[in-house]
Amino acid sequence: GQQVMQIPQYQHVQEGEDFTTYCNSSTTLSNIQWYKQRPGGHPVFLIQLVKSGEVKKQKRLTFQFGEAKKNSSLHITATQTTDVGTYFCATSGTYKYIFGTGTRLKVLA
Amino acid sequence: SAVISQKPSRDICQRGTSLTIQCQVDSQVTMMFWYRQQPGQSLTLIATANQGSEATYESGFVIDKFPISRPNLTFSTLTVSNMSPEDSSIYLCSVRGGDQPQHFGDGTRLSIL
Repeated sequence: GQQVMQIPQYQHVQEGEDFTTYCNSSTTLSNIQWYKQRPGGHPVFLIQLVKSGEVKKQKRLTFQFGEAKKNSSLHITATQTTDVGTYFCATSGTYKYIFGTGTRLKVLA
Repeated sequence: SAVISQKPSRDICQRGTSLTIQCQVDSQVTMMFWYRQQPGQSLTLIATANQGSEATYESGFVIDKFPISRPNLTFSTLTVSNMSPEDSSIYLCSVRGGDQPQHFGDGTRLSIL
């Protein structure tokens, strides 16, 4: 079945450094969503991208959908301790979602 | 977005017993899903809860082990049957309505002794 891989699996950064996680698929994706899960919490929806080459920004977060719609990235500028958590990408078909493997981010103060 | 109430939030159970998890939404939603998230892992879809009919299970999950009910458009239950330590996990319900993105309940943290 369809798989969505994320890299890196883990990332430790110093507060103030930038962070990027990448989401890759071997097949073309109709859309991509990004979720954040804080330690002990549940996944929280951040954004959805649907168009080839689409770029969206939320404050310090920049989301990008690749031109071929097979990959996506989430970039955080100047990380803060509140950015700690696991970031998942996901793609949805007609009725269900497939989640990426996730990137766990630790921010060192 | 929809407000999702999931109960219980956590439980510790004896092996061989069963636990039913409830998911209540404050508005009617088209799709309801049940996921399992093992420690440090991603989310794995167990099944799609269909209103008024049998749930649609993903590969590796069967109705005898994870019976699901969805009597209406705002409520669903997932039962984890005949539990073993391998069932220790977080179980999450989620909902999706129309073009809206998927939203999750707080999850049920289940430990089996």
